[in-house]
Amino acid sequence: DAKTTQPPSMDCAEGRAANLPCNHSTISGNEYVYWYRQIHSQGPQYIIHGLKNNETNEMASLIITEDRKSSTLILPHATLRDTAVYYCIVRAGNTGTASKLTFGTGTRLQVTL
Amino acid sequence: DAGVTQSPTHLIKTRGQQVTLRCSPKSGHDTVSWYQQALGQGPQFIFQYYEEEERQRGNFPDRFSGHQFPNYSSELNVNALLLGDSALYLCASSPEVRGLDGYTFGSGTRLTVV
Repeated sequence: DAKTTQPPSMDCAEGRAANLPCNHSTISGNEYVYWYRQIHSQGPQYIIHGLKNNETNEMASLIITEDRKSSTLILPHATLRDTAVYYCIVRAGNTGTASKLTFGTGTRLQVTL
Repeated sequence: DAGVTQSPTHLIKTRGQQVTLRCSPKSGHDTVSWYQQALGQGPQFIFQYYEEEERQRGNFPDRFSGHQFPNYSSELNVNALLLGDSALYLCASSPEVRGLDGYTFGSGTRLTVV
């Protein structure tokens, strides 16, 4: 699985958009970009994933650059409850087999009043 | 609908002892994976069980072993505990036929080795 690089920490004011970047310059053509987050004392929670098109769900939006070497997770209106560590993960696509996740150290997002 | 349940939530053991952690997967899920998360680090994959067999394994010594039961629940066993085994142990379940968006994690077992 390709390696990812994320900033160690970011701050965001409540109500503003939080934009979390991720570099994955060695991503392969069949690898998807996944985002998980981990709120303190809880297990990681799936947020969103994509291959090459931008994706949006009820939690966030995922913007993947055309060359697929980087992506940005967008939380459109951050709240205090979004304070967490956010992990960007790349892995081979939906093979139907639930293979392992390779976590880095993630980005610690602090949402403030 | 209950998610992934792990027990116990906290545990303190002495070096050299053995420990067993338990996981009940989310209803409808048949694959169970275990992860170790040291303080300040991301979770590290230990192994995955499907159809009662270990299907994948991460870079962990043989002191770490597991089991999956016919009802899909799972146990993680660690023998000869070391201080470095102190960590949050996470269980994740998923249905076999879906990709990563099917993963559900439990809240983990906090193991402290003294």
